[in-house]
Amino acid sequence: DTGVSQDPRHKITKRGQNVTFRCDPISEHNRLYWYRQTLGQGPEFLTYFQNEAQLEKSRLLSDRFSAERPKGSFSTLEIQRTEQGDSAMYLCASSLVGQRTGQFFGPGTRLTVL
Amino acid sequence: AQSVAQPEDQVNVAEGNPLTVKCTYSVSGNPYLFWYVQYPNRGLQFLLKYITGDNLVKGSYGFEAEFNKSQTSFHLKKPSALVSDSALYFCAVRDGDSGAGSYQLTFGKGTKLSVIP
Repeated sequence: DTGVSQDPRHKITKRGQNVTFRCDPISEHNRLYWYRQTLGQGPEFLTYFQNEAQLEKSRLLSDRFSAERPKGSFSTLEIQRTEQGDSAMYLCASSLVGQRTGQFFGPGTRLTVL
Repeated sequence: AQSVAQPEDQVNVAEGNPLTVKCTYSVSGNPYLFWYVQYPNRGLQFLLKYITGDNLVKGSYGFEAEFNKSQTSFHLKKPSALVSDSALYFCAVRDGDSGAGSYQLTFGKGTKLSVIP
């Protein structure tokens, strides 16, 4: 399968713990996006990268959140000192510069903070 | 700022009947519009997009959407619904004039489509 992959698919953690998620985009895609989706809502944009540069961050991305894409390939999203309000589905998407196509989404990581 | 409204939380339709899922948008520049479908415990799957050109856009699985600039709408349609079309559908918009700026998609809240056998 050459689509976007995310790991883990599910994560249960206790409040106050740190968690890290990984996203592997479609191999030739140079843009990578993170979204958060809560129950009954559409995905909300968090941040995006072009190659290794983080070009935009949403106000939703508090200072407890950090994202990296060190070599312009896979990306990680870390949440420090998790709170119950962080419980959500975290979606990763990728696209190719110059192609006006839709973003292609991974299956998501479902985070539950107890 | 850009926004999307999907006025119906749920749409029920009998199998074989035509279906419409409504979407209206607001964006300052030229709209790039998208429809995605989400099945339970799955990620979003791209259905179709409007960037420019014909107002009627054809996509995957027999779906199509009509772009109406004057009504700022991009309704999703299918001539004959299948039970397997039952899923959550999301409309999304991006500002096509953002240049090197924002590439973020803004999504609606989603519409649950139920196709009744």
